[in-house]
Amino acid sequence: QQQVKQSPQSLIVQKGGISIINCAYENTAFDYFPWYQQFPGKGPALLIAIRPDVSEKKEGRFTISFNKSAKQFSLHIMDSQPGDSATYFCAASMTGSSNTGKLIFGQGTTLQVKP
Amino acid sequence: SAVISQKPSRDICQRGTSLTIQCQVDSQVTMMFWYRQQPGQSLTLIATANQGSEATYESGFVIDKFPISRPNLTFSTLTVSNMSPEDSSIYLCSVGLTGTEEFGPGTRLTVL
Repeated sequence: QQQVKQSPQSLIVQKGGISIINCAYENTAFDYFPWYQQFPGKGPALLIAIRPDVSEKKEGRFTISFNKSAKQFSLHIMDSQPGDSATYFCAASMTGSSNTGKLIFGQGTTLQVKP
Repeated sequence: SAVISQKPSRDICQRGTSLTIQCQVDSQVTMMFWYRQQPGQSLTLIATANQGSEATYESGFVIDKFPISRPNLTFSTLTVSNMSPEDSSIYLCSVGLTGTEEFGPGTRLTVL
């Protein structure tokens, strides 16, 4: 129930293409869904996040699509660039006052954008 | 956003020894978290460190192996005790400043 399942494990996309990473969860108490980007040798950095009261959130080339009924959410990277090559993690947490807000992470997706 | 630093950034240690990792934040935060990221793997929460109380450990992690201190609202330490090669990982601290978590750069630990 606490798991977040992420796919694919790895992804290769041509420059200018769309990268799509998918995540699914079981626990309907989750109310915050961030995506993190991690470059080798660095800590994860928050990329974009969504709450379940909206179905889509866009920030620049990055879009989260959220399907509450299916308990799924996805990250779309438009016009993918070689600089986007990194590992991406989805996560989920419960942020209510009685919760710690701790994150449950997906397994990660290694994205390679070819020039 | 918070500026989070960790020391050391990396270390190579011998089996059976202990290493203490420091995490410093540039602002006061209530919640601090310690994660482990094994090679090529995702992040796993070790414990939540609250100032003025005992840390809360996740299933599979115990205080004797990973003692944590939280002396004030800007600092915490994680000790990896009696290390074995299986403890080789990146250890990350994070803070929950804005309702989500921001991560430090991590400490890369190799145990020989």
